[in-house]
Amino acid sequence: AQSVTQLGSHVSVSEGALVLLRCNYSSSVPPYLFWYVQYPNQGLQLLLKYTSAATLVKGINGFEAEFKKSETSFHLTKPSAHMSDAAEYFCAVSDPDPGGYNKLIFGAGTRLAVHP
Amino acid sequence: DAGVIQSPRHEVTEMGQEVTLRCKPISGHDYLFWYRQTMMRGLELLIYFNNNVPIDDSGMPEDRFSAKMPNASFSTLKIQPSEPRDSAVYFCASSSPVQVTYNEQFFGPGTRLTVL
Repeated sequence: AQSVTQLGSHVSVSEGALVLLRCNYSSSVPPYLFWYVQYPNQGLQLLLKYTSAATLVKGINGFEAEFKKSETSFHLTKPSAHMSDAAEYFCAVSDPDPGGYNKLIFGAGTRLAVHP
Repeated sequence: DAGVIQSPRHEVTEMGQEVTLRCKPISGHDYLFWYRQTMMRGLELLIYFNNNVPIDDSGMPEDRFSAKMPNASFSTLKIQPSEPRDSAVYFCASSSPVQVTYNEQFFGPGTRLTVL
């Protein structure tokens, strides 16, 4: 079964610093991988997705992630953090099911704090 | 488009009472998902529908939980009787046939349920 591990439940950075959120996956088939963001009191919003095209994926709000098969990783980065980036970030992997739909398996989430 | 609409946003009830959560998916989306988010278990898929038909309900915790989708624009998640351990944020999400290939789901703002 597919699974996702997010290293670090809390990450704190200074405004303007590099953001690095880690995600490792386990998948028996070539995966689709995703990063979702959840702002306080809101639902999840898709940041970016990897679907076996380019290994470096660019998303919204200046975020990007690189798929590294050899490391089974899909880490999320942003060169310069902004206060508005404070949120919870979820990595997810697709999980094919008998119904023909690829369910999403979410990691536990990483809460990003940005301080002045 | 208004996005996925959920009601109520907050629900406080007493143990043993019936609770009904409501969801209106994005128009044209024929996949609908119910998730539960807790600190202990993270984000869990409870059930999903395709064209109003339940496809996979293996995530529904027990018989106290039931979900229906009587038409393409409305779904309910019912808990009867409710218990304190059901306290969580419940999300509804929807997706279109094109987007579902890549697991892009659109989430509602969630219903925060507290069972006393």
